[in-house]
Amino acid sequence: GENVEQHPSTLSVQEGDSAVIKCTYSDSASNYFPWYKQELGKRPQLIIDIRSNVGEKKDQRIAVTLNKTAKHFSLHITETQPEDSAVYFCAASRNEKLTFGTGTRLTIIP
Amino acid sequence: SQTIHQWPATLVQPVGSPLSLECTVEGTSNPNLYWYRQAAGRGLQLLFYSIGIDQISSEVPQNLSASRPQDRQFILSSKKLLLSDSGFYLCAWSATGLNRQPQHFGDGTRLSIL
Repeated sequence: GENVEQHPSTLSVQEGDSAVIKCTYSDSASNYFPWYKQELGKRPQLIIDIRSNVGEKKDQRIAVTLNKTAKHFSLHITETQPEDSAVYFCAASRNEKLTFGTGTRLTIIP
Repeated sequence: SQTIHQWPATLVQPVGSPLSLECTVEGTSNPNLYWYRQAAGRGLQLLFYSIGIDQISSEVPQNLSASRPQDRQFILSSKKLLLSDSGFYLCAWSATGLNRQPQHFGDGTRLSIL
C-alpha cells in the first residue's frame, strides 16, 4: 500500500518568514495530494490540493509543488502569521482512500 | 452547500461499555464516508470507509464496527470498549466521481475511556 513520509515533525519560524514542509510517497499511481491544517482540538481542514497533472498550485500565501519523478511534494507558506500556527498533514491518494503523513507542528514566533 | 454533522462532541465511557457514534452528511448524495481515529498528538488512522450502502471496508482489525443504514449516515460502534479506544474520532465525506475529491471532516468526538 501507499506510504507517506512527512518532514520535519516540528518547525518554528519567525513571523514573516517562509515555512516549507516536505512529503514523499511510495505509490507511483497516486494522483491526488491534499494538505490539511489542524488547529488544537479542531478538525483537519483542507487548505490546498494538487493533482498529478499539475506541477505547482498557488493560493495567496500558500503554494504546493509536486515532483512526480521523485515522488515528493511540498507545502510552502510565505509571509507567515501567528494564525498559521497549527499541525499540517500531507496526504496522497490513488483511489477513495487517503494516506496521511504523520504531521508537522508549525509554530510561528512573533 | 454540503455539511457534515457528528455527535456527540465529547463522551466519557467506562471500560466494557458499548459505543455508538453517529455521522450524517447533508447536501449531497451517495458520498464516500470515512471514520478516522486520532490519538493525542498523533496522525490520522483510517478505521473504515464506505463507497455506498452495504459497502464498508475495514482498515484495522479491532473491536470496532461500522454501519451505513442510510446513504448519508455512517455509524461507528463497539460492543465492549477498551482503554485503548480512547481518542479523537473523526468522520469525513468526499464526493464520488472520476477525479479524486477532497475529504471534508466533521468536528469530531473526543472519547475518553475510564
